[in-house]
Amino acid sequence: DQQVKQNSPSLSVQEGRISILNCDYTNSMFDYFLWYKKYPAEGPTFLISISSIKDKNEDGRFTVFLNKSAKHLSLHIVPSQPGDSAVYFCAASGGSARQLTFGSGTQLTVLP
Amino acid sequence: NAGVTQTPKFRVLKTGQSMTLLCAQDMNHEYMYWYRQDPGMGLRLIHYSVGEGTTAKGEVPDGYNVSRLKKQNFLLGLESAAPSQTSVYFCASSWSGGDTGELFFGEGSRLTVL
Repeated sequence: DQQVKQNSPSLSVQEGRISILNCDYTNSMFDYFLWYKKYPAEGPTFLISISSIKDKNEDGRFTVFLNKSAKHLSLHIVPSQPGDSAVYFCAASGGSARQLTFGSGTQLTVLP
Repeated sequence: NAGVTQTPKFRVLKTGQSMTLLCAQDMNHEYMYWYRQDPGMGLRLIHYSVGEGTTAKGEVPDGYNVSRLKKQNFLLGLESAAPSQTSVYFCASSWSGGDTGELFFGEGSRLTVL
């Protein structure tokens, strides 16, 4: 029973266009959400986070949107660059689950 | 600037053998974690520690044991390896609990159990 779901295993985008990565969760107690990026043969690295008291958080080219009523969050990358090609993991925590629960990841490929 | 270091990076075991994965962090973090990554499953928490001398079970603890005798080290042990434990293992550490703080990950240890 996956509480954090990333239904798209892969996504391809042209350089310069917008990349939108989606994440759904089922646990209504989750109140903190993070995105991590992972390159091959490396560990995941933190990208951006959002608390449930907000619906948007921006950091440069990266914006995370949270829709609590739909239990959905998305990561927007604008403009996308070839160096953004990586696996992106969504993660969430809250309620009794004080440790992070990760999604299965989405492989983003930005085509030059 | 080492951060989180895992050893070994690669290991092949036969069913029933035992081994220990070592994680070391030089950031003076209180919290440390062991995750496994499997295709289509994302990262799943095996065990974690909220400070020296403490350990707790995560989502998938069966078949693993851990110890945190020193603040900077977190060991993951497999007493009797099984093919189902073939995976990539990641250690991570953080200042505060992973639910509000950023996790810093090691590069991973790829384990194959034949």
